[in-house]
Amino acid sequence: QLQLQESGPGLVKPSETLSLSCIVSGGSISSNTYYWGWIRQPPGKGLEWIGSIYYSGSTYYNPSLKSRLTISVDTSKNQFSLNLSSVTAADTAVYYCARLYSSGWYSDWGQGTLVTVSS
Amino acid sequence: EIVLTQSPATLSLSPGERATLSCRASQSVSSYLAWYQQKPGQAPRLLIYDASNRATGIPARFSGSGSGTDFTLTISSLEPEDFAVYYCQQRSNWPGTFGPGTKVDIK
Repeated sequence: QLQLQESGPGLVKPSETLSLSCIVSGGSISSNTYYWGWIRQPPGKGLEWIGSIYYSGSTYYNPSLKSRLTISVDTSKNQFSLNLSSVTAADTAVYYCARLYSSGWYSDWGQGTLVTVSS
Repeated sequence: EIVLTQSPATLSLSPGERATLSCRASQSVSSYLAWYQQKPGQAPRLLIYDASNRATGIPARFSGSGSGTDFTLTISSLEPEDFAVYYCQQRSNWPGTFGPGTKVDIK
């Protein structure tokens, strides 16, 4: 049974960098069948794709976040990470990590972690 | 960018009734459309992929149809656990975008 678990600070100050990790258990992040992604959901709002990564390190970013975004993978630790710089209150959201098929469908999700941007 | 529109925004129905949710794309996405269910405090769950294929473990009361720009998710007879928010997602331009959601609540 695949499990994904987000970890990181729940509170980040404006202008600082939001950093989250997603630990994958019950399956290998190095599978050539899947990609790994980050999605966020502001309180009371819909879902926004942030970016995705393949185990080889190839990345795909939401154009609206690309200038502030870095997603990386650590196959030795079976985890992948998100760094979003220069955050503002608009970045406050529940952040989900997920596994997606190469076809583009999100098959498995973490439970999500709320990150609040506030001084 | 392909924009997805979902209607209605809210659907108020009683258990046992049929639910019909719509998702419209701003341009053709072929059959590259999925539906997710999200309950309060939970992550979304994949229901339907490639417009009409049920994901593993999804009950047969959920069905999807459509192609091109117009898609429908049908719940044939609502169970109490089906009251939730439903999102469509397209991946015509991988990995795609989500619609704004339809909330199915209890009448």
